[in-house]
Amino acid sequence: AQTVTQSQPEMSVQEAETVTLSCTYDTSESNYYLFWYKQPPSRQMILVIRQEAYKQQNATENRFSVNFQKAAKSFSLKISDSQLGDTAMYFCAYNLIQGAQKLVFGQGTRLTINP
Amino acid sequence: EPEVTQTPSHQVTQMGQEVILRCVPISNHLYFYWYRQILGQKVEFLVSFYNNEISEKSEIFDDQFSVERPDGSNFTLKIRSTKLEDSAMYFCASRRGQNNEKLFFGSGTQLSVL
Repeated sequence: AQTVTQSQPEMSVQEAETVTLSCTYDTSESNYYLFWYKQPPSRQMILVIRQEAYKQQNATENRFSVNFQKAAKSFSLKISDSQLGDTAMYFCAYNLIQGAQKLVFGQGTRLTINP
Repeated sequence: EPEVTQTPSHQVTQMGQEVILRCVPISNHLYFYWYRQILGQKVEFLVSFYNNEISEKSEIFDDQFSVERPDGSNFTLKIRSTKLEDSAMYFCASRRGQNNEKLFFGSGTQLSVL
């Protein structure tokens, strides 16, 4: 079974700092996608960034980038120039390319950006 | 950007009652999902639905749960006889197709079973 592990339950940084959230996953598959979702206090799930496992190049979306290490099954999220609006729960997630493409989520990291 | 709409945003019910959670996926989407999140825990997959039938379901999705797309626009999750442990945020999601199509989540229905 596929599992996703986020080992940092909570993190806190000052505004404008850079923060990295960790994620590891376990799978025997070779074709899959990885995602980071943001869940603000409203509890809506917002896609931050995604990575195809077959792409070696790390995905970037403005201030958000990932460090994808396929051999190590590691998928960390870096937030640069953090803003107060980045305060949220962040979930790492995985899905296979085949089949129903259900998402498997990690436990989440609560990120607080302090002014 | 198009949205997945869920109603109601909050639902309170008594243990043993039936509840129906409603979702309107994005109109040209073909794959539909329900997820749930117990407070303070991770989001868990419940069921996926395609071509008017369940394509995959989790262990959580037992005989008390059912899904339906009754009229081509709504996608509902029914819990036949609610239990206290069914209290959670329920998210509906949809995507247009497979092959890395983006998954769109609704804003969730908070179900409280008393």
